Amino acid sequence: NAGVTQTPKFRILKIGQSMTLQCAQDMNHNYMYWYRQDPGMGLKLIYYSVGAGITDKGEVPNGYNVSRSTTEDFPLRLELAAPSQTSVYFCASSYSAYRSYYNEQFFGPGTRLTVL
Amino acid sequence: ELKVEQNPLFLSMQEGKNYTIYCNYSTTSDRLYWYRQDPGKSLESLFVLLSNGAVKQEGRLMASLDTKARLSTLHITAAVHDLSATYFCAVDMEGTYKYIFGTGTRLKVLA
Repeated sequence: NAGVTQTPKFRILKIGQSMTLQCAQDMNHNYMYWYRQDPGMGLKLIYYSVGAGITDKGEVPNGYNVSRSTTEDFPLRLELAAPSQTSVYFCASSYSAYRSYYNEQFFGPGTRLTVL
Repeated sequence: ELKVEQNPLFLSMQEGKNYTIYCNYSTTSDRLYWYRQDPGKSLESLFVLLSNGAVKQEGRLMASLDTKARLSTLHITAAVHDLSATYFCAVDMEGTYKYIFGTGTRLKVLA
């Protein structure tokens, strides 16, 4: 299994440009998450999904959009990029968030985004 | 607002010494996660603590959970250089599918 994969690994955007960060998992996980990690900081939840067709906002959703058309894929869309969106973006997945299961998250390698 | 706080934020210690990292959280939750992040890398799961009094050990690391005190500890025994990394705790909010991460503790073990 490849686990959680993310593309691209690095990207530089100009202010106002848009892009999509790709995330895919091959573990048949229901739950998927997008986080951003600013330098020297912890992770902030942007959006999450509990299954195909179901998404919801996290702590810092402004400036981002997501979709979940399949169990495997959870792309993150940045519209009108701003310097404040310079960060490392991590996608994660977990098998189930129900209380009776281990809910540990498996993380992708990250996408380092710079907006100039 | 749910807060997850770790202390210390930075820790520099000598090889062979013991130390404890603390994780406090402000909401009801009966499970807590510890992750490790090496510089420039992704996060790797270390421990999942599922109930009050849970204790897990792996090598020189031992994690425990006290849900009544809303406190988890990560104890390092006889530190070695390979343990240098940033350690995060995370809590999943009861009744939601969200996880909140702590601020992280950057550990540096000096030879």
